[in-house]
Amino acid sequence: AQTVTQSQPEMSVQEAETVTLSCTYDTSESNYYLFWYKQPPSRQMILVIRQEAYKQQNATENRFSVNFQKAAKSFSLKISDSQLGDTAMYFCAFMKHEPASKLTFGTGTRLQVTL
Amino acid sequence: GAGVSQSPSNKVTEKGKDVELRCDPISGHTALYWYRQRLGQGLEFLIYFQGNSAPDKSGLPSDRFSAERTGESVSTLTIQRTQQEDSAVYLCASSADRGPGEKLFFGSGTQLSVL
Repeated sequence: AQTVTQSQPEMSVQEAETVTLSCTYDTSESNYYLFWYKQPPSRQMILVIRQEAYKQQNATENRFSVNFQKAAKSFSLKISDSQLGDTAMYFCAFMKHEPASKLTFGTGTRLQVTL
Repeated sequence: GAGVSQSPSNKVTEKGKDVELRCDPISGHTALYWYRQRLGQGLEFLIYFQGNSAPDKSGLPSDRFSAERTGESVSTLTIQRTQQEDSAVYLCASSADRGPGEKLFFGSGTQLSVL
């Protein structure tokens, strides 16, 4: 079974600054996908970024980038130029490399962006 | 529709009553998932549908929980004889299931409160 651990229950960052959210996971799979989802107060889960484990290059999406360390089973999210709209819960998630595989989530990190 | 729709948005019920939660996935999405999110926690997988069949029910916590899907579209999650520990947000997601790593689209969930 897979497990995902987010060790930072809460984080705070000032607007325009950079923040890094941590995630570690445990799996015996050699190929898989990793995701970061954002959950604002509306409750809807929004995909932030996706990483394929067999790709060594770290994924980037505008202000969001990841640091994927496969050997260490670490998958951190860096948010640059933080904006007030980034305030939300952030969940790290794991998916096996097979069709229609379910997501296994961490417990989340609450990010507060302040003025 | 444009996105995954869930109803009701909020449901308050008395302990011992039965409740039905509805999910309308994105049109054409063959894979459908139900998750439970307790307060301050990550998402727990409940059940997965491929078409109208459920090849993975491993997350259903007890026989009081059941789900069905009809017409490869709408799904209903039923909780019988509700208990206070059933209080949570129930989230539905769907995907086009075109292959491994397919993106899941989430609804805004149903907040269930059992008094």
